[in-house]
Amino acid sequence: EVQLLESGGGLVQPGGSLRLSCAASGFTFSSYAMSWVRQAPGKGLEWVSTFTSGGNTYYADSVKGRFTISRDNSKNTLYLQMNSLRAEDTALYYCAKHMVQGGKPRPYYYMDVWGKGTTVTVSS
Amino acid sequence: QSVLTQPPSVSGAPGQRVTISCTGSSSNIGAGYDVHWYQQLPGTAPKLLMYVNTNRPSGVPDRFSGSKSGTSASLAITGLQAEDEADYYCQSYDSSLSGYVFGTGTKVTVL
Repeated sequence: EVQLLESGGGLVQPGGSLRLSCAASGFTFSSYAMSWVRQAPGKGLEWVSTFTSGGNTYYADSVKGRFTISRDNSKNTLYLQMNSLRAEDTALYYCAKHMVQGGKPRPYYYMDVWGKGTTVTVSS
Repeated sequence: QSVLTQPPSVSGAPGQRVTISCTGSSSNIGAGYDVHWYQQLPGTAPKLLMYVNTNRPSGVPDRFSGSKSGTSASLAITGLQAEDEADYYCQSYDSSLSGYVFGTGTKVTVL
């Protein structure tokens, strides 16, 4: 069974840092692009960052320069290093696995498996 | 704010048909990028409901169907059931933002 399990969330002060982890199982982790998606309390979904199987990384403008996505294929784990945190980064952070139909490029990827999420609260 | 617009809410009686629209622009849906749909039951993570405009993953009832035309897409639920009460999000890619975008979300209520 394909599973994603996020961890590392917590309460942090504005300007602080936090590292999220996403442990994957049940599939060949290195072969798939992975993303982080967040959901602020009572709000909708917002894409945060993607790490492709080819090693390319992409970020939403709202986190560019502050967040860094990485992966360790030997540990089947995806990470999100979050620095200079702001109150507006408060959200439930989901890890998601990507799929694509017919070998199409990254813009055509969709998210076929999601983890349960880990909560990040930025507050003094 | 999201570049994909959905109605905040739709409702229907059990057995009825409801549709959820997802309106984009020439830099996302209108550019030919695929639209995908996710269902988020209360207190749970999103789940893939429809991929590449019209395809249902294994296990998704055929009461759910998707379509795409021009700069918009739609999700239809026929034979509405109580367990369909959830938030629904469309998702595509935006070339101006160089990233994935989600719709504003629609809450479906079964009367």
